Amino acid sequence: AQSVTQPDIHITVSEGASLELRCNYSYGATPYLFWYVQSPGQGLQLLLKYFSGDTLVQGIKGFEAEFKRSQSSFNLRKPSVHWSDAAEYFCAVQNSNSGYALNFGKGTSLLVTP
Amino acid sequence: NAGVTQTPKFRVLKTGQSMTLLCAQDMNHEYMYWYRQDPGMGLRLIHYSVGEGTTAKGEVPDGYNVSRLKKQNFLLGLESAAPSQTSVYFCASSRDFIYEQYFGPGTRLTVT
Repeated sequence: AQSVTQPDIHITVSEGASLELRCNYSYGATPYLFWYVQSPGQGLQLLLKYFSGDTLVQGIKGFEAEFKRSQSSFNLRKPSVHWSDAAEYFCAVQNSNSGYALNFGKGTSLLVTP
Repeated sequence: NAGVTQTPKFRVLKTGQSMTLLCAQDMNHEYMYWYRQDPGMGLRLIHYSVGEGTTAKGEVPDGYNVSRLKKQNFLLGLESAAPSQTSVYFCASSRDFIYEQYFGPGTRLTVT
């Protein structure tokens, strides 16, 4: 079954620094991959998604992600982090065996320091 | 256009009580999902529906039942609540498998 792993539970970056959040997937065929963000006490907001085509995907809020089949990865990046980016970030893969529900990673909590 | 709404937002139950969580979407989406979110576990699929009148089990269905009598509504029921069902519950909907899922704001349930 399709699954994703987020190796980092917590990440701390300084405001203005670059950010990379890691996501590794497990699936034989081309996966449909997503990154969601969850601010404290809020629901989930889609940052970006990858279905096919260009492996570098642009999203909202200045985020981008790169699909690398050779590394089974879909890492999220941002060149300069703002304090408002502090949140929980979830990578997810679509599961074709469960009505195309999403299989989520366990999340990475981002802390932004001044 | 309200998107996906969930009722109630908060609820406290005693062990053994029952309740129903309501999810409603006004986007005419076919697919609807119920997830639960627990600390350090991400979101896990409870049940899902691929259309009006259809439901199916997800990863963690035990202790829950669902119904989709109307296309716009997806109900999640707990017949006899247990402390292990203390969680935040999210509903989501999608137009089709190639489209994104839209999430509701969540329901925080505590079972004492």
